[in-house]
Amino acid sequence: DVVLTQTPSILSATIGQSVSISCRSSQSLLDSDGNTYLYWFLQRPGQSPQRLIYLVSNLGSGVPNRFSGSGSGTDFTLKISGVEAEDLGVYYCMQATHAPDTFGAGTKLELK
Amino acid sequence: EVQLVESGGGLVQPGRSLKLSCAASGFTFSNYYMAWVRQAPTKGLEWVASITNSGGSTYYRDSVKGRFTISRDNAKSTLYLQMDSLRSEDTATYYCTRGAGIGWGQGVMVTVSS
Repeated sequence: DVVLTQTPSILSATIGQSVSISCRSSQSLLDSDGNTYLYWFLQRPGQSPQRLIYLVSNLGSGVPNRFSGSGSGTDFTLKISGVEAEDLGVYYCMQATHAPDTFGAGTKLELK
Repeated sequence: EVQLVESGGGLVQPGRSLKLSCAASGFTFSNYYMAWVRQAPTKGLEWVASITNSGGSTYYRDSVKGRFTISRDNAKSTLYLQMDSLRSEDTATYYCTRGAGIGWGQGVMVTVSS
C-alpha cells in the first residue's frame, strides 16, 4: 500500500500566520491518465472531515482561497495563508491513484 | 442540499454481524462511486471499501476482505456495508463518503466488545 507521510504531526500557529503541511508519498501519485489523485481534508473537532483540495491544487466548493495545494510526483504541500480560528483541527492528505486509497496520519493545527 | 445519513451502528459482540446503511439525497446517487471510511477512537482516517457507481466493481482493504461486503441500491439512493465476523479492531466511527471525499456523512459508531 502507498504510505503517505505527513509533517509536522502537530503545528502551532497564531491567528494570521501562514503555515504549510507536507505530504510525501512512498510512490509517485501521477496516474497513467495524467491525473494526480491527491486530496486534502480538514476534520474539525467533533465533526466529519471536509474536502479542501482535490487533484493536488483545486479548491473545493466553498473553501476559502487562503487554502492552496501544490506539488507533484511524491511531494505535496498544503498552505494556509493567514490562519483563522475556524481552521483549527486535523488535516489529512489522501491518495486515490493506487488501490487501496490511503490517508496520511494527520497534522493537528492548534493555536500557539 | 447534499446529505449522507448513516445508520445501523451499535454495540455488537465479537464474531457477530452488523449492517450499516447510508441514505443519500441532494445529488444523483447513481453517478458517483461511494466508499466507507472509518476512524477508530482518537485515531486517523482509514479507507475500508469502495464501490463503483453501477455497483459492478467493489474494493476492500485487506483486513476486511472476506468479512465485509459493500453494496448499493441506486433505486433507493442507499449505500450499505454488511459487516460479518466482527473483531474488536473494527471498533470505529464509520463514515459514508461520496466520490473522492466530496461529501461525508455524520458517521455512525460501531463498537465490538463482549
